[in-house]
Amino acid sequence: EVQLVQSGPEVKKVGTTVKISCRVSGYNFMGHYIYWVRQVPGKGLEWMGLIDPEDDETDYAQKFQGRITITADTSIDTAYMELTSLKSDDTAVFYCVKVQTDGSGRGSWLETWGQGTRVTVST
Amino acid sequence: DIQMTQSPSSLSASVGNRVTITCRASQSIKNHLNWYQQKPGAAPRLLIYAASSLQSGVPSRFSGSGFGSDFTLTISGLQPEDFATYYCQQSYLNPPITFGQGTRLDIE
Repeated sequence: EVQLVQSGPEVKKVGTTVKISCRVSGYNFMGHYIYWVRQVPGKGLEWMGLIDPEDDETDYAQKFQGRITITADTSIDTAYMELTSLKSDDTAVFYCVKVQTDGSGRGSWLETWGQGTRVTVST
Repeated sequence: DIQMTQSPSSLSASVGNRVTITCRASQSIKNHLNWYQQKPGAAPRLLIYAASSLQSGVPSRFSGSGFGSDFTLTISGLQPEDFATYYCQQSYLNPPITFGQGTRLDIE
């Protein structure tokens, strides 16, 4: 069974940094991109960035450029998302997601989601 | 970035009804459109990928259609467990993937 298990909830102060882990099991970690998606309370889904664990290639949404770092440790099948300079409106649930592709270079879908990590940022 | 617009933003329906949710892309995305269901307090769940392919384990009452810029998600014979929020998402221009704003489906 494919599983993505994320680290627990965090409470942070404005201006600090949070690092969330995502441990995967049940599939070849290096064979699939991992995406990170944010959901502000009561709002929709927002793509933050991705990593290809095979070669550590990353890409980030422009909105988070300069504040986000996504890494992967293939020795323990775990991805990480670090967000710095936290603001109160970063209060959200963050998801890691296993991505499946159709091989065409265009078709992909968010096949399996982690349970989410709630981050609360306070002043 | 490609903008995704869902309609309606919310709707009410009864168990047994058939409902349709629409998703429009700001440009052609061919069939690179996916649908997700999210229940309160839970992670989203993939329902439909590539516009019309049913994800394994998803009931057959869910179906998707469309190509280009207009897509629909249809639920035939609503069940109590189907009341949730639904999101479309494009992967044609990726990155970044983009989501619709969501459609909340409530019990009438």
